[in-house]
Amino acid sequence: EVQLLESGGGLVQPGGSLRLSCAASGFTFGIYSMSWVRQAPGKGLDWVSALSGSGTTTYYADSVKGRFTISRDNSKDTLYLEMSSLRAEDTAVYYCAKQHSWNGGPFDIWGQGAMVTVSS
Amino acid sequence: EIVLTQSPGTLSLSPGERATLSCRASQIVSSNYLAWYQQKPGQAPRLLIFGASSRATGIPDRFSGSGSATDFTLTISRLEPEDFAVYYCQQYGSALLTFGGGTKVEI
Repeated sequence: EVQLLESGGGLVQPGGSLRLSCAASGFTFGIYSMSWVRQAPGKGLDWVSALSGSGTTTYYADSVKGRFTISRDNSKDTLYLEMSSLRAEDTAVYYCAKQHSWNGGPFDIWGQGAMVTVSS
Repeated sequence: EIVLTQSPGTLSLSPGERATLSCRASQIVSSNYLAWYQQKPGQAPRLLIFGASSRATGIPDRFSGSGSATDFTLTISRLEPEDFAVYYCQQYGSALLTFGGGTKVEI
């Protein structure tokens, strides 16, 4: 079964850091681009960052550039999102999502999401 | 950044009726790389349509997508009870991916 499982969410103070992980199974992880998409409580979907299958090309939304870092370990079939200088507006459910091809495409598989709450 | 504007914000319909959802882009979506997703409360989104008009695996044929360039439409020919949800369009034709604000289809 194709599956994505996020972990690492939680409560963090403003200015703090957190690392999310996304474990993939059921497909050849290393040949697909992967992304992180977030959803603030009661709001719509907001793309955060994408990473090519090889891990050499990264893209970030302007709202997180310089604060978040996406990476992957293809030997462990795992995607990461390192978040620093967190703000209240970063509070959201963070989904990892598999893209349709090695260099992008629509999101055809989604994880169940990890909640990140930024609050003092 | 390509801004996607979805309309209407909310669509109130009954089972069996036809739903027509619109997604307008602020600039041309390259190669019509436009996708539609369905999201139900407490669940992750599900891919319905990609490439503006191709149905994803397992999606019933009552869902259809159309349009090109800057104007796209998702049509649900006859609403089933399980179709009441929020629908998002998303473009993947540029490096910076963007979503529309969503259309809620309610009874």
